[in-house]
Amino acid sequence: KQEVTQIPAALSVPEGENLVLNCSFTDSAIYNLQWFRQDPGKGLTSLLLIQSSQREQTSGRLNASLDKSSGRSTLYIAASQPGDSATYLCAADTGTASKLTFGTGTRLQVTL
Amino acid sequence: EPEVTQTPSHQVTQMGQEVILRCVPISNHLYFYWYRQILGQKVEFLVSFYNNEISEKSEIFDDQFSVERPDGSNFTLKIRSTKLEDSAMYFCASSEWGFGYTFGSGTRLTVV
Repeated sequence: KQEVTQIPAALSVPEGENLVLNCSFTDSAIYNLQWFRQDPGKGLTSLLLIQSSQREQTSGRLNASLDKSSGRSTLYIAASQPGDSATYLCAADTGTASKLTFGTGTRLQVTL
Repeated sequence: EPEVTQTPSHQVTQMGQEVILRCVPISNHLYFYWYRQILGQKVEFLVSFYNNEISEKSEIFDDQFSVERPDGSNFTLKIRSTKLEDSAMYFCASSEWGFGYTFGSGTRLTVV
């Protein structure tokens, strides 16, 4: 059974800092790894999708990497802004479009 | 950008009542899902649906739950007799095979 863990659980940084969020998964036989953002009481916004054949994906100030063999993914946020404050979730796709297993999330606060 | 639409955004119901949560997936997607998130907890998979039938369901998805695609655009989740512990945010998602998942903004269900 796939288990997904994210560390740290919470993070507070001053504006402008670069930061790394970590995600680990127990079953390396994943199809995709997807990162989401969730604002309080709101839905899930997809940030980046890394397919199993890829090592990383970039979108603006966000960069996500995937190392299947070690069961890890990282989300790098450059030059953080207060608007980046949210909970970041990673989710592993077990393949054949069956389902996502979500991590516990990292709650990020970027302060002025 | 195409969206997954969920209605209502918030529903309050009395224990023992039936509720139907509605979703309009992205039109060219073939795979549909329901997930739920109890306050403060992980997002959990409930059920996946493909080709007009359930392809996978979790232990949570017991006989009180059912899904239906009543027409070419809607996808519904029915809870026959709600319990207090069914209170959660329910998310609908859809996907094309291999291209990641798009989530709706959720329905907050409160059972009183």
